Amino acid sequence: AQSVSQHNHHVILSEAASLELGCNYSYGGTVNLFWYVQYPGQHLQLLLKYFSGDPLVKGIKGFEAEFIKSKFSFNLRKPSVQWSDTAEYFCAVNALYGGATNKLIFGTGTLLAVQP
Amino acid sequence: GAGVSQSPRYKVAKRGQDVALRCDPISGHVSLFWYQQALGQGPEFLTYFQNEAQLDKSGLPSDRFFAERPEGSVSTLKIQRTQQEDSAVYLCASSLRRANEKLFFGSGTQLSVL
Repeated sequence: AQSVSQHNHHVILSEAASLELGCNYSYGGTVNLFWYVQYPGQHLQLLLKYFSGDPLVKGIKGFEAEFIKSKFSFNLRKPSVQWSDTAEYFCAVNALYGGATNKLIFGTGTLLAVQP
Repeated sequence: GAGVSQSPRYKVAKRGQDVALRCDPISGHVSLFWYQQALGQGPEFLTYFQNEAQLDKSGLPSDRFFAERPEGSVSTLKIQRTQQEDSAVYLCASSLRRANEKLFFGSGTQLSVL
């Protein structure tokens, strides 16, 4: 069965520090990859996604993620975090076999706290 | 409305009670999904509708869980004879076509079974 692992459950950073959140998935075929974010008191929203092409994808608010197929990874990065980046971040995978499937598999999430 | 709307926002049920959770997706969105999110976990897939057709219900944990979307818009997730392990946030999401597109999530219904 497909699974998604997020290794960092809780990350605390100071403003202006660099961020990298790990995400690994277990599926050998073609995948679509996503990062969703949930700010305090708000609903989940899409941060960025990878379908094909350039493995380095850029999302909203200065976030980017790199798909490394050989490592089954899709790590999220931001060069300089802000207090407003405090949120929970979820990696998700949509495994494609015989066409698009209809469900996302989510990781357990990483809670990021940015100290001013 | 502008986004996915779920009601009620909070629901407290006594063990054994039946509950119904409502989801209003974004108008015109073909696909609708239900997810269950336990405390400290990521959302877990429950079921998927394309218009009024329930195409995948592989994530429903037991036959006490039932979902419908009779007219291809509003959806209801019903849980019969609730158990304590059903306590979770139930999230609804919709997308214009399929899951490999951007999902728009509602704020969820937090269900507490006492």
